[in-house]
Amino acid sequence: DTEVTQTPKHLVMGMTNKKSLKCEQHMGHRAMYWYKQKAKKPPELMFVYSYEKLSINESVPSRFSPECPNSSLLNLHLHALQPEDSALYLCASAPGYAPNTEAFFGQGTRLTVV
Amino acid sequence: AQSVSQHNHHVILSEAASLELGCNYSYGGTVNLFWYVQYPGQHLQLLLKYFSGDPLVKGIKGFEAEFIKSKFSFNLRKPSVQWSDTAEYFCAVMRGATNKLIFGTGTLLAVQP
Repeated sequence: DTEVTQTPKHLVMGMTNKKSLKCEQHMGHRAMYWYKQKAKKPPELMFVYSYEKLSINESVPSRFSPECPNSSLLNLHLHALQPEDSALYLCASAPGYAPNTEAFFGQGTRLTVV
Repeated sequence: AQSVSQHNHHVILSEAASLELGCNYSYGGTVNLFWYVQYPGQHLQLLLKYFSGDPLVKGIKGFEAEFIKSKFSFNLRKPSVQWSDTAEYFCAVMRGATNKLIFGTGTLLAVQP
């Protein structure tokens, strides 16, 4: 199984809502990532978890809250988002024992904030 | 600032033309290098990767890339493009042992039949 599965595929939420994005992998990977991708732009790194610990936070606003409950799951909790947060949110995983690792990407969650 | 640069933002080619997309990075030390492709409406797919060894790496769909350490470059090439190669191409760099994967700005390739 070389898949990274993200749910939901699409999400529409109001600015006062609380929602969560989910990501799951069963490749035994120990590094997991959240990226944000706006239209016609490259993926922007948000967070990296290594061995279930947050290792990189790219100065992401606190309205985005990541969580890694176990080595297979990664969540992104959303609260009080703004319309400009509308984007494709990508999850990725990698073996974690860098160097010489590659990341596998999920299909993303298309988020629209209204 | 440490970065990954792709100088060609938008490339238009006719079928059977040769392709070369530039990628430069500014990190020192050990890096892992990647090219990803994103077809319209689809997720990121790995085209090829370089970790060490032979600096000329071959990937899927006839793509190859050459790592030139002295130039901090990892250019993507394909001798003859097809209409189905129309997509956005991203160079990406993972620094040493950090697990930090950073993408370049992307190149949108349009191949005309």
